[in-house]
Amino acid sequence: GAVVSQHPSRVICKSGTSVKIECRSLDFQATTMFWYRQFPKKSLMLMATSNEGSKATYEQGVEKDKFLINHASLTLSTLTVTSAHPEDSSFYICSVGRGQETQYFGPGTRLLVL
Amino acid sequence: AQTVTQSQPEMSVQEAETVTLSCTYDTSESDYYLFWYKQPPSRQMILVIRQEAYKQQNATENRFSVNFQKAAKSFSLKISDSQLGDAAMYFCAYRPINSGYALNFGKGTSLLVTP
Repeated sequence: GAVVSQHPSRVICKSGTSVKIECRSLDFQATTMFWYRQFPKKSLMLMATSNEGSKATYEQGVEKDKFLINHASLTLSTLTVTSAHPEDSSFYICSVGRGQETQYFGPGTRLLVL
Repeated sequence: AQTVTQSQPEMSVQEAETVTLSCTYDTSESDYYLFWYKQPPSRQMILVIRQEAYKQQNATENRFSVNFQKAAKSFSLKISDSQLGDAAMYFCAYRPINSGYALNFGKGTSLLVTP
């Protein structure tokens, strides 16, 4: 399977600042990348789908101006949480896909907003 | 919209025993994929097993096997000879057969393995 990395693995920031999370596909050209959010002891909730070179498609209820997604290449997607607030604290996970192949997940990023 | 239901929030099994985790789903599609993912305390999502709906044969991966009942829209996971390392959250997931679609997850089942 593909190797997917996320950076940083955990981040603590002050309320009102912006945080960027990177998702890299190390050995797999990902035409599509997905961003999920997971609350403690809950399931994964899809936030957005991004295709390389296109604008991301956001799920209902996800603010696109708050969660900026950029998929500039087949191996890199970034999620920027703008003007973060404590309620944005969560575990963010990316996954990569190519056609009908199985999706592969990054190790996740734990965000804590103080 | 497709929904995935895991009706067992928690399950417990003794080491070396067998346990079955249940999953049902709702879809109007005839072709799709079903998955079981494991999420240990590290929170890394690990693919356990994958089933294509057009295949009648149940998928098997070593100690892990599924019972896929397409008409009943049921996709249970059987873990044989349970090991302590099997303790984790298990998520059932559905994905349409067309490319570019995200996984639709159930709420998960927490599996505890006791010595």
